[in-house]
Amino acid sequence: DVKVTQSSRYLVKRTGEKVFLECVQDMDHENMFWYRQDPGLGLRLIYFSYDVKMKEKGDIPEGYSVSREKKERFSLILESASTNQTSMYLCASSLAGGDAGELFFGEGSRLTVL
Amino acid sequence: RKEVEQDPGPFNVPEGATVAFNCTYSNSASQSFFWYRQDCRKEPKLLMSVYSSGNEDGRFTAQLNRASQYISLLIRDSKLSDSATYLCVVNEQTGANNLFFGTGTRLTVIP
Repeated sequence: DVKVTQSSRYLVKRTGEKVFLECVQDMDHENMFWYRQDPGLGLRLIYFSYDVKMKEKGDIPEGYSVSREKKERFSLILESASTNQTSMYLCASSLAGGDAGELFFGEGSRLTVL
Repeated sequence: RKEVEQDPGPFNVPEGATVAFNCTYSNSASQSFFWYRQDCRKEPKLLMSVYSSGNEDGRFTAQLNRASQYISLLIRDSKLSDSATYLCVVNEQTGANNLFFGTGTRLTVIP
C-alpha cells in the first residue's frame, strides 16, 4: 500500500521556536509538495520540489523553507514560528508526467504556535 | 477573486437522496479538473478526474462546462459513508504545481 508519512500528527510550539516537519513517501515519486489548510481558505501551496535538492516557491512561502536531500524525504522548516503559522500542514507527492492532478497526501501535521 | 469557488454548505441530505455540488473557476485556460474527498480530520484523497465529455464512476457523475467555467459532482443514492467534504481542484497549466483547491463543500448524509 502506497504511503506518505508525516512524522508528527500534532505539535505545540512557542513563538520563535524552530519547527521541523518531516515527510517521507515510499512510492518513488519525483514531485513532493507542502500545503497548509486553513478554514475558509482551502489548501495553499507553500513549496514544492520536482527533484532532489530542487525546490520552488509556491503561493505562500514567506516564513518557511524546505529541504530535499533524498528523493523520498521532503522537510518543511519554520525558522521562527509565529502564531499565524498555526495550521494543518499537508505533505503530498505525485509522479512526474503522471496525471497532474493526482496527489497522494500524508495524514497531516496539526501545528499550534502559542 | 478566488481561482476556485465552492458553496461551503453544509448540505444535509437523507440517505438515498441525490445531491449535486457545483464549483466555478476563474481561469478560462484551465487544463484539467478533479474532485477530491476529505473525511473529517483526514487527508484529501482523489475521488475522480473530470473529463470534457463527463464521466461516471458508480453513483458518482462528474461534468465539466467550459463555456460557463464550472464543474459539477452528482451523487446518487447517497450513503451514510458519503458524508465528507468534497474539494474541487483545478489545474491551470501543465504540471501539478499549478493546482488550485476550492475550500470544499461539506456533505452530511442523515439516516
